[in-house]
Amino acid sequence: NAGVTQTPKFRVLKTGQSMTLLCAQDMNHEYMYWYRQDPGMGLRLIHYSVGEGTTAKGEVPDGYNVSRLKKQNFLLGLESAAPSQTSVYFCASSRQAERLFFGPGTRLTVL
Amino acid sequence: KNEVEQSPQNLTAQEGEFITINCSYSVGISALHWLQQHPGGGIVSLFMLSSGKKKHGRLIATINIQEKHSSLHITASHPRDSAVYICPVVGGADGLTFGKGTHLIIQP
Repeated sequence: NAGVTQTPKFRVLKTGQSMTLLCAQDMNHEYMYWYRQDPGMGLRLIHYSVGEGTTAKGEVPDGYNVSRLKKQNFLLGLESAAPSQTSVYFCASSRQAERLFFGPGTRLTVL
Repeated sequence: KNEVEQSPQNLTAQEGEFITINCSYSVGISALHWLQQHPGGGIVSLFMLSSGKKKHGRLIATINIQEKHSSLHITASHPRDSAVYICPVVGGADGLTFGKGTHLIIQP
């Protein structure tokens, strides 16, 4: 099993560009999450999904959109990137009421 | 909104010491996780608790739902335990709410 994978691992964008981060898991988990981690702020939940076709907002959803068209994939989109979105993005998945499994992270820089 | 507080924020100890990291939260939850993140590294889930106590190797996690408090204990600490320990709580409209983490350094 690959566990949780994230694509890409690194990306540099210019302000106003768009991009999509892909999170994939092969553990048949219902729950998937997108977080961002910033120095001094800890991990903050952006969006999450409790099943295929469902998404919900977390603590810091503004400027991001998500989709869960397939159970194994959770996409995070930035329509118009801003420097404030420079961060490390982590994806995680789990079964209900079970341990979280994290991806390796995506380091995004917006110039 | 659940407020999650971890203490201490920073902890430096000597190899072999018994370590305790605390996590308290303001609103009732259904479960709590303990995570470990090494510098520059990924995040590993250590425990998921909804009641009582769990043990894995030198790590012990406890939770008191009535007091809204959880602790992570490390026995016979080792320099490889140096990491950031994070406790997200499960519940409410936001899904998961995270503490800011405890930075632990174990000196040889």
